[in-house]
Amino acid sequence: QQQVKQSPQSLIVQKGGISIINCAYENTAFDYFPWYQQFPGKGPALLIAIRPDVSEKKEGRFTISFNKSAKQFSLHIMDSQPGDSATYFCAASNTNAGKSTFGDGTTLTVKP
Amino acid sequence: NAGVTQTPKFQVLKTGQSMTLQCAQDMNHEYMSWYRQDPGMGLRLIHYSVGAGITDQGEVPNGYNVSRSTTEDFPLRLLSAAPSQTSVYFCASSYYRDSLPYGYTFGSGTRLTVV
Repeated sequence: QQQVKQSPQSLIVQKGGISIINCAYENTAFDYFPWYQQFPGKGPALLIAIRPDVSEKKEGRFTISFNKSAKQFSLHIMDSQPGDSATYFCAASNTNAGKSTFGDGTTLTVKP
Repeated sequence: NAGVTQTPKFQVLKTGQSMTLQCAQDMNHEYMSWYRQDPGMGLRLIHYSVGAGITDQGEVPNGYNVSRSTTEDFPLRLLSAAPSQTSVYFCASSYYRDSLPYGYTFGSGTRLTVV
């Protein structure tokens, strides 16, 4: 049972374009939705996160859009740069349980 | 501030051997977790802990044991290594502030190969 479904599996974007990665969840007990960025050979690093009481959060070029009724959230990377090339994971947390469930990841390649 | 430290970085085991993957954090985080990362399968939760003395199973706990005797340390033990346990293992910690959660800080990983 996959509780967090992430798409697409891979994404190629031109420099300056917008990268969009989508996630859908099933468990309505999830109440915290972070995104992580992982470079080859490194551990994932927290990028941005949102709680379900807001519909959008923006930090620099990164924006999370959250649709509680549809149980979906997405990461938008504006003005994508080659340095953004990495694997991105969405996650959903049940904070009462103290654990997170991750999507399968999206490999983003930004072409110069 | 070291964050989350994992040792060793690389390990090769023979089938049937046991070993302990070490994880230590110096941020006084209450929550610690172990994940394994396999190609195309994302991060899967093995075991987690919400505080010293408290542990629980995640999605894929079979073949692994954990303990949490201190806030800082959360070792993962492989009881009898199998080739299916070949993976990259990540330890992560997190905390709450004002009853709100904050995301994980991950270690740099242990790449384990079982032959």
